[in-house]
Amino acid sequence: DVKVTQSSRYLVKRTGEKVFLECVQDMDHENMFWYRQDPGLGLRLIYFSYDVKMKEKGDIPEGYSVSREKKERFSLILESASTNQTSMYLCASSLGGTVFGELFFGEGSRLTVL
Amino acid sequence: AQSVTQLGSHVSVSEGALVLLRCNYSSSVPPYLFWYVQYPNQGLQLLLKYTTGATLVKGINGFEAEFKKSETSFHLTKPSAHMSDAAEYFCAVPGYSSASKIIFGSGTRLSIRP
Repeated sequence: DVKVTQSSRYLVKRTGEKVFLECVQDMDHENMFWYRQDPGLGLRLIYFSYDVKMKEKGDIPEGYSVSREKKERFSLILESASTNQTSMYLCASSLGGTVFGELFFGEGSRLTVL
Repeated sequence: AQSVTQLGSHVSVSEGALVLLRCNYSSSVPPYLFWYVQYPNQGLQLLLKYTTGATLVKGINGFEAEFKKSETSFHLTKPSAHMSDAAEYFCAVPGYSSASKIIFGSGTRLSIRP
């Protein structure tokens, strides 16, 4: 069974803390994505990566960075968490080389910043 | 810029009634369209997609959608709602800047009344 696993389902952090959200996929997918989901706004793309060590900014990259040192792992980093980053974060992966391929999602990480 | 609009953030229907969730896309979008579903406390999963060919697309769990170019619409329907259909539904289109990027609508939450 194919899987995208996000390391933490729920996190509570303090303002100013550095936060790491980890995502691992076991499908050997080239593409990986981080989305943020907020009520009424749908999913907004933060960053995506189409290969190891490659990354591109999405629509809302400010305040975030990413790391992809291995093909199966894509990390989202909040350098200094702020209350407006309280949200649900979704990781996804897809096969590279295919146009408009299916996205496979993890179950999400709900982050609360106090 | 490409975009997708979902009409109605919340739809409520009775069990056994017709489900109709509306999605309109900007005309600049290439004719590739998706519906994803998110069940409570889960990530998103692909419900169906239109790429080429037949304009009526069948998906999982009895859902289908019809691509209507003249109306720039891709509405999702199901003839008879089931309690298990309660979820959030997202229409999505590919982004022009990168074929790997998918742009999501704001979502429609479907509630089913007993």
